[in-house]
Amino acid sequence: DQQVKQNSPSLSVQEGRISILNCDYTNSMFDYFLWYKKYPAEGPTFLISISSIKDKNEDGRFTVFLNKSAKHLSLHIVPSQPGDSAVYFCAASGTYSGAGSYQLTFGKGTKLSVIP
Amino acid sequence: NAGVMQNPRHLVRRRGQEARLRCSPMKGHSHVYWYRQLPEEGLKFMVYLQKENIIDESGMPKERFSAEFPKEGPSILRIQQVVRGDSAAYFCASSKPTSYEQYFGPGTRLTVT
Repeated sequence: DQQVKQNSPSLSVQEGRISILNCDYTNSMFDYFLWYKKYPAEGPTFLISISSIKDKNEDGRFTVFLNKSAKHLSLHIVPSQPGDSAVYFCAASGTYSGAGSYQLTFGKGTKLSVIP
Repeated sequence: NAGVMQNPRHLVRRRGQEARLRCSPMKGHSHVYWYRQLPEEGLKFMVYLQKENIIDESGMPKERFSAEFPKEGPSILRIQQVVRGDSAAYFCASSKPTSYEQYFGPGTRLTVT
């Protein structure tokens, strides 16, 4: 059972335009969400996060939106640059395990290609 | 470089051998997580450790896999009697106490022949 879903395996966007990456989750106990960017043969790089008490968080060109009622979040990149081409992973966490574990549950990723 | 360090970056083992993967957390981080990524999949949580303690091992296979984070030295993920299905990228992440934000190392790519 996949608790975090990224339904678009890939996305192509023209340089300078907006990239929108989507993520859905099923576990209502998740209370913190993160986006990571990953290049081939490297580890994931933390991009931006959002707590469930907020609906928007912005950091430079990156904005994450959270819709708790729909169990949906999205990452907006404006303007998109060729260096943004990578796989983007959505991840979710919560302290529901009772052990104080902040383990992350990841989606399968969306491969973003920004075309010059 | 104060980032998360993992070694080796690439490891080749024959079926039945042991694999040892090492992880040194970022400076100031005392919590370590191990994740595994199979081809075309997302990362899957394996185990969460603090110094000398395993806090959550709910993602660890019941047999052949073990992890430790000793008082001194790196965290180690140990896989005994490796099988072909263990071939994957293994990532370590570290965080500060009570922080959700985890920072990942470059990973160890294990190939079992």
